[in-house]
Amino acid sequence: DAGVIQSPRHEVTEMGQEVTLRCKPISGHNSLFWYRQTMMRGLELLIYFNNNVPIDDSGMPEDRFSAKMPNASFSTLKIQPSEPRDSAVYFCASSPQGNEQYFGPGTRLTVT
Amino acid sequence: AQTVTQSQPEMSVQEAETVTLSCTYDTSESDYYLFWYKQPPSRQMILVIRQEAYKQQNATENRFSVNFQKAAKSFSLKISDSQLGDAAMYFCAYISGGYQKVTFGTGTKLQVIP
Repeated sequence: DAGVIQSPRHEVTEMGQEVTLRCKPISGHNSLFWYRQTMMRGLELLIYFNNNVPIDDSGMPEDRFSAKMPNASFSTLKIQPSEPRDSAVYFCASSPQGNEQYFGPGTRLTVT
Repeated sequence: AQTVTQSQPEMSVQEAETVTLSCTYDTSESDYYLFWYKQPPSRQMILVIRQEAYKQQNATENRFSVNFQKAAKSFSLKISDSQLGDAAMYFCAYISGGYQKVTFGTGTKLQVIP
């Protein structure tokens, strides 16, 4: 099993640009989660999907952030327009129904 | 709302010794799961161990074991025979049995001294 796959691993972009982060969950997992990790705020849940349907997006910081899961094997997190304060490590995780979450390697985003 | 507290921002242990990381949580639910995750410098979040609240027996995974005290809402992690590769941030996490949103603690940075 390849585990959760995220791309890109690193992203450097200028303020105002659109950023798209991608995630492929572990095959057979029903749930997918997007997290953001910063030194100041720790690990924050942004949004999670169950069976491709968004269940809780209360952690999405503002309208600049959006997430989609068009099918069971792919999800995107988009930031448009990006701002320097969005700089963080973004993790995707997947889970079999109701149990432990398996994390991807993360995407380090730097917005200058 | 559930809260998870890790009161030790940093800990250190001598190689081959034993160390215990503390975690307390607050919940009114009876059905839940608790986890410890490890995050080494590579940033990868790795599941170390899990505990179901309905199980009285403490979980064990090789050198890692937990002391689960449900009444006290305490969930500590013991690492025996510490190795240099154990150096990492350790996060305690809580998940409700009926809801998949995980609450993480703020983490404990473990240093292993050769």
